[in-house]
Amino acid sequence: NAGVTQTPKFQVLKTGQSMTLQCAQDMNHEYMSWYRQDPGMGLRLIHYSVGAGITDQGEVPNGYNVSRSTTEDFPLRLLSAAPSQTSVYFCASSYGPSGGLLDTQYFGPGTRLTVL
Amino acid sequence: KNQVEQSPQSLIILEGKNCTLQCNYTVSPFSNLRWYKQDTGRGPVSLTIMTFSENTKSNGRYTATLDADTKQSSLHITASQLSDSASYICVVDSSGSARQLTFGSGTQLTVLP
Repeated sequence: NAGVTQTPKFQVLKTGQSMTLQCAQDMNHEYMSWYRQDPGMGLRLIHYSVGAGITDQGEVPNGYNVSRSTTEDFPLRLLSAAPSQTSVYFCASSYGPSGGLLDTQYFGPGTRLTVL
Repeated sequence: KNQVEQSPQSLIILEGKNCTLQCNYTVSPFSNLRWYKQDTGRGPVSLTIMTFSENTKSNGRYTATLDADTKQSSLHITASQLSDSASYICVVDSSGSARQLTFGSGTQLTVLP
């Protein structure tokens, strides 16, 4: 199993540009989430999905869109990039809700995004 | 507001030494507490998960403790190795939903030869 994969690894955007961060998992997990990690702060939830066709907002959803057309893929779209979106983005997946004892979240390697 | 605070922010120890990382939380209700290890440039990897009724959980040289009364947890690393150099993140789950995970900012551990 490849686990959770993310592309690209690095990306530089200009303010106002749009892009899509890709995330895929091959573990047949229902639950997938997007986080951003900023220096000195804990990971913050952007959006999450509890299954194909179902998404919901997390703590910091503004400026981001998601969709979940398949169980495997959960892309994150930046609509109009801003310097405040400079961060490292992690995608995670789990078998069930993240509170379950067996529902360990598996994280991807991250995408480092810089917005100029 | 739910909060998870970790201390120290950074720690440097010599290879072979033991160390203890602290996590204090103000999260309610409480479902479980997790410790993750995050190597530089990688995603976090789960080390332990503890529920309210558990006060100790081990994973090799890593031992996590939980005091639900004082809302404190610690991660003890025994006989440290260079590969233990990483950020250690405490995460508290309040209700079993992805929206209710509160992440600490991590303790950066450096193990020197």
